[in-house]
Amino acid sequence: DSGVTQTPKHLITATGQRVTLRCSPRSGDLSVYWYQQSLDQGLQFLIHYYNGEERAKGNILERFSAQQFPDLHSELNLSSLELGDSALYFCASSVADRGDAGELFFGEGSRLTVL
Amino acid sequence: AQSVSQHNHHVILSEAASLELGCNYSYGGTVNLFWYVQYPGQHLQLLLKYFSGDPLVKGIKGFEAEFIKSKFSFNLRKPSVQWSDTAEYFCAVMTSYDKVIFGPGTSLSVIP
Repeated sequence: DSGVTQTPKHLITATGQRVTLRCSPRSGDLSVYWYQQSLDQGLQFLIHYYNGEERAKGNILERFSAQQFPDLHSELNLSSLELGDSALYFCASSVADRGDAGELFFGEGSRLTVL
Repeated sequence: AQSVSQHNHHVILSEAASLELGCNYSYGGTVNLFWYVQYPGQHLQLLLKYFSGDPLVKGIKGFEAEFIKSKFSFNLRKPSVQWSDTAEYFCAVMTSYDKVIFGPGTSLSVIP
């Protein structure tokens, strides 16, 4: 158990819909990273938050947004869903924004299926 | 743009064989380097990491990796693999822009 909790574990929805994925980081970790893992794309970095502030953006679509709340949990919002958004979405947390800590602790992922 | 490449998509070895998985990254600045492993049905977990100092780093379960700055490489090695090493292996790079970029992964299958 990594200490990172993601909900829901599985989600099936239809094209055009909107979903919210939730991540609770390990106790004490200030950084949250979101990744999308699909069969043909590998692990794609989406976005990084540190203590409520956005720190870095990767290949995140405009239809996707995220935020980190004062209690440090994070949510990834996916809207106007398309078939190609079907993937495993991972959240990872880290104690620091970068530097000597650096190790990411991953949740078990949320598997999104868009029909 | 920063990127990470891994030499092999799928590797099949017999138990006791030696393992080397290649990883190269493209980024000109200071990087922190990682290897993560994902065992079947489990979450990703850290195998080893390099931040500075000795370019040969040792990790858990007998794995080690060597950072060669001139080649932008961070190859993972293990002298003798076991069936329990069957997993997906990911090389990752943390850049100064607070991104952690992962390679596409290498699937390792160890045959008893």
